[in-house]
Amino acid sequence: NAGVTQTPKFQVLKTGQSMTLQCAQDMNHNSMYWYRQDPGMGLRLIYYSASEGTTDKGEVPNGYNVSRLNKREFSLRLESAAPSQTSVYFCASSEFGVLNEQFFGPGTRLTVL
Amino acid sequence: TQLLEQSPQFLSIQEGENLTVYCNSSSVFSSLQWYRQEPGEGPVLLVTVVTGGEVKKLKRLTFQFGDARKDSSLHITAAQPGDTGLYLCAGRGTGANNLFFGTGTRLTVIP
Repeated sequence: NAGVTQTPKFQVLKTGQSMTLQCAQDMNHNSMYWYRQDPGMGLRLIYYSASEGTTDKGEVPNGYNVSRLNKREFSLRLESAAPSQTSVYFCASSEFGVLNEQFFGPGTRLTVL
Repeated sequence: TQLLEQSPQFLSIQEGENLTVYCNSSSVFSSLQWYRQEPGEGPVLLVTVVTGGEVKKLKRLTFQFGDARKDSSLHITAAQPGDTGLYLCAGRGTGANNLFFGTGTRLTVIP
């Protein structure tokens, strides 16, 4: 039981390049989330998927797109990376319900030069 | 956006000391969670509190949800080096499915 897995763990991009961050969970959770974590700013929600087939914007969606490929997988795409997108990205999953207790992956550390 | 402010931002204490971390907001939350994050890893859920005034204990950690469901505190008794990490509070707004995270308290316990 791996929980939430993310790939890659580290990535360096040049400004303007594109990439996709992958996330998968094996807990049969309905909801999945993408966050970014920057020093002194906590975790900020980029996009979420309450259930398979739906996606919604979070607090900081600009410059990102997402795909809920199936119940297990939720990917985050940067179409044209910018230095402001240098951050640590976390994927999380939860049951859709009152408590919304989230389980996080290990993160992807992205640097955009 | 529902802001959650945590204090202090940084805390460095000696092993065996007690400490309290605060999480405050002007918004009401239907539930509040505390997570701990270690370097290079994702946050791990410690506890969820739901009822105003609720107190939950997890070994040496005591969590309290404010009566008005706008604030919370985490008290650690006899801190140990293994308690070192970033502590994050996260609130779920009424009628919302998402969590709003606080800015975090970075705790260092010195042996």
